[in-house]
Amino acid sequence: SQQGEEDPQALSIQEGENATMNCSYKTSINNLQWYRQNSGRGLVHLILIRSNEREKHSGRLRVTLDTSKKSSSLLITASRAADTASYFCATDSGETSGSRLTFGEGTQLTVNP
Amino acid sequence: NAGVTQTPKFQVLKTGQSMTLQCAQDMNHEYMSWYRQDPGMGLRLIHYSVGAGITDQGEVPNGYNVSRSTTEDFPLRLLSAAPSQTSVYFCASSRGLAVYNEQFFGPGTRLTVL
Repeated sequence: SQQGEEDPQALSIQEGENATMNCSYKTSINNLQWYRQNSGRGLVHLILIRSNEREKHSGRLRVTLDTSKKSSSLLITASRAADTASYFCATDSGETSGSRLTFGEGTQLTVNP
Repeated sequence: NAGVTQTPKFQVLKTGQSMTLQCAQDMNHEYMSWYRQDPGMGLRLIHYSVGAGITDQGEVPNGYNVSRSTTEDFPLRLLSAAPSQTSVYFCASSRGLAVYNEQFFGPGTRLTVL
């Protein structure tokens, strides 16, 4: 089974609203990353948060990490139609070499103009 | 910089045929990897390489071979294509190990096996 699992699977909001996506994982991690994928394109890196960090910001993006609950959230504020995409979290696979990144199944975000 | 490039963009194979998916990066990245993406299953790691001459298996390596003779190139070979290998294939690279570094993805190769 996947190390990271996103919730919800799909989210539809209006432009200007905030979007929150969650990621849960099973084993302890070193880092957690979030990626965006526009339809028919490759993934684009958004943020990397380390296990000793609790919150990180990048523009309209805010990521939190709660290692006690083994969960992370991605908040997109003041959403735009261009934010329509799939969002994936990626974590350690549970092994220690750092070589393997495991992706969740993603949240499909639709922002309606 | 072109970043990560993949060829071809689309490919249709018949069962049993073999082919090579090409991946190249011009960022002098040590780490490269191949993923497949199927509907509703996210990305699954096929093979990865931590440097030229070094490769290792990922989560779903069966039916695929890789080699890394140069830092820039990381081709993925399908030995005898099967319908179960119908998928979108992504190559990615990073400066160092995947867990600690931003991954740069190519645009993908959409493969259909009939």
